[in-house]
This record gives sequence, structure tokens and C-alpha cells, in this order.
Amino acid sequence: QSVLTQPPSASGTPGQRVTISCSGSSSNIESNYVYWYLQLPGTAPKVLIYRNNQRPSGVPDRFSGSKSGTSASLAISGLRSEDEGEYYCAVWDDILRAPVFGGGTTLTVL
Amino acid sequence: EVQLVESGGGLVQPGGSLRLSCAGSGFTFSSNAMSWVRQAPGMGLEWVSSFSVTAHSTYYADSVKGRFTISRDNSKNTVYLQMNSLRADDTAVYFCAKNWLGELTYFHAWGQGTLVTVSS
Repeated sequence: QSVLTQPPSASGTPGQRVTISCSGSSSNIESNYVYWYLQLPGTAPKVLIYRNNQRPSGVPDRFSGSKSGTSASLAISGLRSEDEGEYYCAVWDDILRAPVFGGGTTLTVL
Repeated sequence: EVQLVESGGGLVQPGGSLRLSCAGSGFTFSSNAMSWVRQAPGMGLEWVSSFSVTAHSTYYADSVKGRFTISRDNSKNTVYLQMNSLRADDTAVYFCAKNWLGELTYFHAWGQGTLVTVSS
């Protein structure tokens, strides 16, 4: 049971906008940066968003991150079939003194 | 181009030991924290351990504390994970990750992973 809660699944049709939520607490999301990772089937994860809302070079601007209080969200606009995969939020937890991952959200493009 | 190559995975009996290695290239190894993250079959990501850059501090998940040891050899651009007293629930793909400088939650680059199976 992770300290970060994500919906187990999300879906959308090509071109749609979808959001994935990540709920935490004052000891993690509220006080530290949030990161988002995407794991495509059979591959290693890769970073999509760092420091709440920053995109590494090479990540399309269709992906955006936001944070408010003890929750964070990842938004994907202009949904494409290649966006299918497992999305994880991650944040440092001040009580555990460790990075923690959310349970992951499986995104399906219908 | 940043590359991380893990090795050392395999089949080990419960109670046994294994040492994973991760060789990095394409970046200044000594300037970045390094971490291990694992993924049990069909499950999500679980952070295991990190070796910071400043203060040379090490961090461990409660699930591995006292059994696993992370170390690094900057002269060889390699980070290690010594795993002792292995249990069935340690079975997972173990990913090596390069952190962005000292940010322990920013896993900037990942290796392809090495499978550890703990079974009799």
C-alpha cells in the first residue's frame, strides 16, 4: 500500500485530453517536488515531468504536470496510441526519508 | 548519450546472496547520486536504495534495510547493490537509475534492468 494514491486505470480516445491524479499528504506532495514517470510495456521507466511541472528535453508539450496542496496531476492532451503504458508519480517523503512511488495508473487509448 | 548497464542478476535460493553491478557511461559519474529501483512481477515500482553525492550518504527502503548494501566506485563508474539474506519477495527486476545531481527522487536515466529470482 503506497503512501501515494493513483487511480489504477485511465482511458481516452485519440485526440482527447486525460488527467491522472496522485494523492498524498503534507509530508510528501505538499512539501516536495513531484515527478512523473512513464513505463511503456516491456521497457524501463522514463521521466516525463520533474519538479512538479518541468519537462525534460524530448518530452512533448502534450504532457503537463501540476500540483495543489497534497495532490498532483498529470495531463496528457492530444492523446496518441503510443501514450499507452503505466504512469507513476513519485515524491520524497519527509517522514519516511525516502522517495516513494504511487501504485501506477494504466493508460489505455481506446 | 547516457548509458546504464546492469549485471549480476539470476536465480538464488532463499537466504542466499547476490551482488548487482551497474556501469554508467556518457556522464560525469561522480557528480550524480545513483539509485536502485525494483519491480516485482506484475507490480509497480519500488525504490530500494540510493547513494547520494554530497556527504556520501546512503538510503534504504525499510524492506531491505540491514540486508542490502549500496556502494559505488567512481573510478570504475559503477554502482553496486549487495543483497544478502534474500527472500522470495525480493524477486523482481532491479533497475539502476542515475539521479539528476543530488535529487533523490529525480531518476533521470534508467538501465534496462536485471532479473533477480529468489526461489528454491
